[in-house]
Amino acid sequence: QQQVKQSPQSLIVQKGGISIINCAYENTAFDYFPWYQQFPGKGPALLIAIRPDVSEKKEGRFTISFNKSAKQFSLHIMDSQPGDSATYFCAANLGAGGGNKLTFGTGTQLKVEL
Amino acid sequence: GAVVSQHPSWVICKSGTSVKIECRSLDFQATTMFWYRQFPKQSLMLMATSNEGSKATYEQGVEKDKFLINHASLTLSTLTVTSAHPEDSSFYICSARDRQGARGYTFGSGTRLTVV
Repeated sequence: QQQVKQSPQSLIVQKGGISIINCAYENTAFDYFPWYQQFPGKGPALLIAIRPDVSEKKEGRFTISFNKSAKQFSLHIMDSQPGDSATYFCAANLGAGGGNKLTFGTGTQLKVEL
Repeated sequence: GAVVSQHPSWVICKSGTSVKIECRSLDFQATTMFWYRQFPKQSLMLMATSNEGSKATYEQGVEKDKFLINHASLTLSTLTVTSAHPEDSSFYICSARDRQGARGYTFGSGTRLTVV
């Protein structure tokens, strides 16, 4: 119930294209869904996050789409650039009742080719 | 923005020695800190959660006597890997959260530990 399933495991996109990463969860008690970007040898950095009362959130080239009934959420990276090549993790938080712990997806390695 | 400083960024130690990793929140009070371990090309695995002034809560399967966590102040948490062995070689990452969670979770830059 604590799992967050993420797909695909790896993704190759042409420069200027749209990168789409999907995540699914089971526990309806999750109340905060962030996406993180991680470069090799670095810690994760928050990209964008959403709460379940919102269906979509956009910040620059990054958009989260959230489907509460399907228990799925996805990250869209518009106009993908080579600098976006990194590993992306979705995550879900249980809130104070769950110790404010983040449960991470398995990660997606994105490569944006010229 | 919220900044978490983690040191050292990399360390090599001999088998049997202990290593301390520091995690500092620079511009906010981190009432809760989290320590993760990450193997190559894998996700982050939560090791323990520490609240300021309290004993750390360890995840199942994590040896609390091997991975000592101290969170003595609102800006500093330390992870000490005691009697390190080659299998402890990994990437260790801390994360900090303020009381209200207004800044979300801020991660340190990670520490690459290699035990030889």
